[in-house]
Amino acid sequence: EDKVVQSPLSLVVHEGDTVTLNCSYEVTNFRSLLWYKQEKKAPTFLFMLTSSGIEKKSGRLSSILDKKELFSILNITATQTGDSAIYLCAVEENYGQNFVFGPGTRLSVLP
Amino acid sequence: NAGVMQNPRHLVRRRGQEARLRCSPMKGHSHVYWYRQLPEEGLKFMVYLQKENIIDESGMPKERFSAEFPKEGPSILRIQQVVRGDSAAYFCASSPLGGNEQYFGPGTRLTVT
Repeated sequence: EDKVVQSPLSLVVHEGDTVTLNCSYEVTNFRSLLWYKQEKKAPTFLFMLTSSGIEKKSGRLSSILDKKELFSILNITATQTGDSAIYLCAVEENYGQNFVFGPGTRLSVLP
Repeated sequence: NAGVMQNPRHLVRRRGQEARLRCSPMKGHSHVYWYRQLPEEGLKFMVYLQKENIIDESGMPKERFSAEFPKEGPSILRIQQVVRGDSAAYFCASSPLGGNEQYFGPGTRLTVT
């Protein structure tokens, strides 16, 4: 059965800390892995990863995919209270025919 | 405890036909969200419903699209007179009353030919 596992499920840090969020997956016919940040309403798209070993960066956020070991990490450096959110990992398979979402990691950044 | 269910998983419609997408929330969840994911794009919020009530439909196109969440039965996203641009993956998520976490279903892939 296809599945996406995220860890930790919950994380509390202080401003300025660096965090690493993990996403591992077991799917057939992997196509891409997506990271989202979810706050109040709709998840905000962060990254789409399709190739192993190529880091994607956006400000203080970065992410990388390892297709051999079937996982991805999302790094956030110098965290701010505004980074507090649920971070979702989703895997696209079968050339866009199916998406599997992980349970999310709830990140709380304290001042 | 079954997760969020969506059906059908794949739906093919010809231009001008109607598409009905169903979402059964997790047991005990009273809130449903619908999202659309276009190729190479992230999720786009469409509508947020409570049982028998639309809370926020700010992301819903003004024409041809409607959503409901009746007292009994699944939530339905209805697209009338579909066009090619409606082809996308439509996701449903549910959350409990007062909860922030949204639990996503597997999505329905709509293809308009």
